Amino acid sequence: DAGITQSPRHKVTETGTPVTLRCHQTENHRYMYWYRQDPGHGLRLIHYSYGVKDTDKGEVSDGYSVSRSKTEDFLLTLESATSSQTSVYFCAIGGDRANYGYTFGSGTRLTVV
Amino acid sequence: AQSVSQHNHHVILSEAASLELGCNYSYGGTVNLFWYVQYPGQHLQLLLKYFSGDPLVKGIKGFEAEFIKSKFSFNLRKPSVQWSDTAEYFCAVKGSSASKIIFGSGTRLSIRP
Repeated sequence: DAGITQSPRHKVTETGTPVTLRCHQTENHRYMYWYRQDPGHGLRLIHYSYGVKDTDKGEVSDGYSVSRSKTEDFLLTLESATSSQTSVYFCAIGGDRANYGYTFGSGTRLTVV
Repeated sequence: AQSVSQHNHHVILSEAASLELGCNYSYGGTVNLFWYVQYPGQHLQLLLKYFSGDPLVKGIKGFEAEFIKSKFSFNLRKPSVQWSDTAEYFCAVKGSSASKIIFGSGTRLSIRP
């Protein structure tokens, strides 16, 4: 959807290096989320944000940190990438308006070698 | 805590067959329910949602789902599938006072031409 973009779309990185993924929205949603998608596990919540500088952990937060310095941007950082973090990462917005689900970004395919 | 179970991991059907995908959730309060679809290589898209009112919800592309509160279920149905319905389908639940959606592990649907 046009209101949410993720960058980069693809990235290959080496074990032990830090990596930052960006999610940008133009919809002014208060809530933003980072999920990872792996075969057999569906989508698992990594971190989410409920406002500028307000973030909380999801179910698989170890090895990840997030930052939200402005409403539009939600950054996900892998502090020291490991092969187990090879995955497809999706950002989502929504959950803060009545009768509204989530809108997902197009995803970032990350490979850690 | 919220949880979602999708019992069918992979469903294979012939074109024109009827479809029903199971979804059961666990949550001790009022819920919002969703079905998302992910076509190969794409991001998740909202298929339909239930917030309140008529428990039979109609979505895009001929899909519908029925919320049965007594069974904690929200099964997805389509009377006649097409090859283009080949995708992965995710059920999701959000407590009405919660801030995050929890996803099931997904059901892969394969349609034989």
